[in-house]
Amino acid sequence: EAGVTQFPSHSVIEKGQTVTLRCDPISGHDNLYWYRRVMGKEIKFLLHFVKESKQDESGMPNNRFLAERTGGTYSTLKVQPAELEDSGVYFCASSQAWTRSVTGELFFGEGSRLTVL
Amino acid sequence: AQSVTQLGSHVSVSEGALVLLRCNYSSSVPPYLFWYVQYPNQGLQLLLKYTSAATLVKGINGFEAEFKKSETSFHLTKPSAHMSDAAEYFCAVTYTGKLIFGQGTTLQVKP
Repeated sequence: EAGVTQFPSHSVIEKGQTVTLRCDPISGHDNLYWYRRVMGKEIKFLLHFVKESKQDESGMPNNRFLAERTGGTYSTLKVQPAELEDSGVYFCASSQAWTRSVTGELFFGEGSRLTVL
Repeated sequence: AQSVTQLGSHVSVSEGALVLLRCNYSSSVPPYLFWYVQYPNQGLQLLLKYTSAATLVKGINGFEAEFKKSETSFHLTKPSAHMSDAAEYFCAVTYTGKLIFGQGTTLQVKP
């Protein structure tokens, strides 16, 4: 069974450009999470989807970030326009049910490293 | 509000020595606590978890952690380090499904 996959693994863009990160969760997992780790800081929650609905987007930094999960399968996270402080590693995670998220049964992808120059 | 503090961003031990990675948490309600590990070029992997059952929790690869409510701690230990344990370790807390992570501790294992 395939795990959580993220694409691209690394993206280098200029300030002001747009980048779209993609996450494919484990098949059948309704819950999908985005987290971000800025260099030297802790991993922070961005948002949580249940199927195609945003359950919690309290961690989204600002309106330059747009997350979607059309059809409740894969998710994209778009940053437009990118700023220097957006550099970091963006992690996606999925779980089968919310109760399993609470007990830590989250499966993480390898992360997408974003570098904004 | 919940928070997690990991003491020491880098820990270095010799192969065969005791591993001790420290984690203290703050939570207004009984928490669920976790240790995750990230090996180079891999995603985060659940190492072990405390969910209000036994206070001494055993995880994969010989790691264990003890929940001490009086000390608000959840330190991770392994009796004998192996070279393959070199990785970054994250302590995390939740009761909502939204994980709150510590800053991470990089474990270096010297031959």
